[in-house]
Amino acid sequence: EPEVTQTPSHQVTQMGQEVILRCVPISNHLYFYWYRQILGQKVEFLVSFYNNEISEKSEIFDDQFSVERPDGSNFTLKIRSTKLEDSAMYFCASSASGSRNEQFFGPGTRLTVL
Amino acid sequence: EDQVTQSPEALRLQEGESSSLNCSYTVSGLRGLFWYRQDPGKGPEFLFTLYSAGEEKEKERLKATLTKKESFLHITAPKPEDSATYLCAVQRNSGYALNFGKGTSLLVTP
Repeated sequence: EPEVTQTPSHQVTQMGQEVILRCVPISNHLYFYWYRQILGQKVEFLVSFYNNEISEKSEIFDDQFSVERPDGSNFTLKIRSTKLEDSAMYFCASSASGSRNEQFFGPGTRLTVL
Repeated sequence: EDQVTQSPEALRLQEGESSSLNCSYTVSGLRGLFWYRQDPGKGPEFLFTLYSAGEEKEKERLKATLTKKESFLHITAPKPEDSATYLCAVQRNSGYALNFGKGTSLLVTP
């Protein structure tokens, strides 16, 4: 069964450093998403991406964040100048279409900022 | 602003003891209501999407229903392997973002 994969599973970084989280969405899916979940809190939407551009973003997704689809299979989230409060699980998701669709989530990357 | 409230926060059931989880929502133009299961340290696993009031969907011991204000996830004769956090999320007509509730943590004991 096709699934979303994410690397690395755990990333530890120093405050102020840049990190890139990687995702391989399900191969025939066209819509890609990033969510985060701070420990003990709810899953929060960050951004959606379609046709090589951002289609929707939340207030959390400020200039510190960027997304890219560098090739036909990968989807990345870059976090510049990380802060302690960026520590969270980051989930990538993908869906076949925008409306009337299921979003399938990856296993997540645990980001720890020291 | 959209609101998604799940209750109870935590639920402990004996194996075989049926119950329901509630998701109350306020959203401007609902496209769909989603149920996910999340195991500790894992990503949400898709269960159901409901699109209109009166709709019902079933999968094994789970049945999801939808009204104009809330959704229920009914668990019939649960087993210990049903222990997980169950998440409800709403999607607006105007976008594709999922707005999640805080979840209900379910523990089923043998």
